[in-house]
Amino acid sequence: QVQLVESGGGVVQPGRSLRLSCAASGFTLRSYGMHWARQVPGKGLEWVAAISGDGSDKYHADSVKGRFIISRDNSKNTLYLEMSTLRTEDTAVYYCVRGSPEARQYFDYWGQGTLVTVSS
Amino acid sequence: DIQMTQSPSTLSASVGDRVTITCRASQSISDWVAWYQQKPGKAPNLLIYKASSLESGVPSRFSGSGFGTEFTLTISSLQPDDFATYYCQQYDIYSLTFGQGTRLEI
Repeated sequence: QVQLVESGGGVVQPGRSLRLSCAASGFTLRSYGMHWARQVPGKGLEWVAAISGDGSDKYHADSVKGRFIISRDNSKNTLYLEMSTLRTEDTAVYYCVRGSPEARQYFDYWGQGTLVTVSS
Repeated sequence: DIQMTQSPSTLSASVGDRVTITCRASQSISDWVAWYQQKPGKAPNLLIYKASSLESGVPSRFSGSGFGTEFTLTISSLQPDDFATYYCQQYDIYSLTFGQGTRLEI
């Protein structure tokens, strides 16, 4: 079955960097667009970034543009989120999400999430 | 960005009730709307896509409707497992955006 397992979360100081990983299994990763979404504990959902199946197209939310970069390695069945110049407002649970197999993608599978805490 | 305005923010109901949650888009998005259910400490779970298509495995008491800018999620007869938070999402245009959520409580 489809599994998405995030890792790399933790406590980091403001201004520092962190890389999240998402190990995908149970499906052919290169056939799907993938996304990162986040959720401040107790608050709503925010889409963060998207990447096409072959990695050629990338989209980032304005709130992270220029600081976060989404990437993927289909040979390793892994999705990444490189986060730099972290701010306290980036504190959230980060979810790895699979996009549906169409041009316009809803989110059909979610990982369990990894918590990133930005604090001095 | 397209704003998704969801209402109500909190809804109190009882087992067996019929409830409706509304989502309004700031511009027309055809039927590119999905609905998710989230329980405390868990990731969201897809219920409805393309405004009215029921995801496989989701009980038929859940239904969605709407087109353009007005969308609704209806639960025909609330079950104890349905008390959770619900989010709408537009996936027409990047940046993808969510409604602020509706907490359905007993």
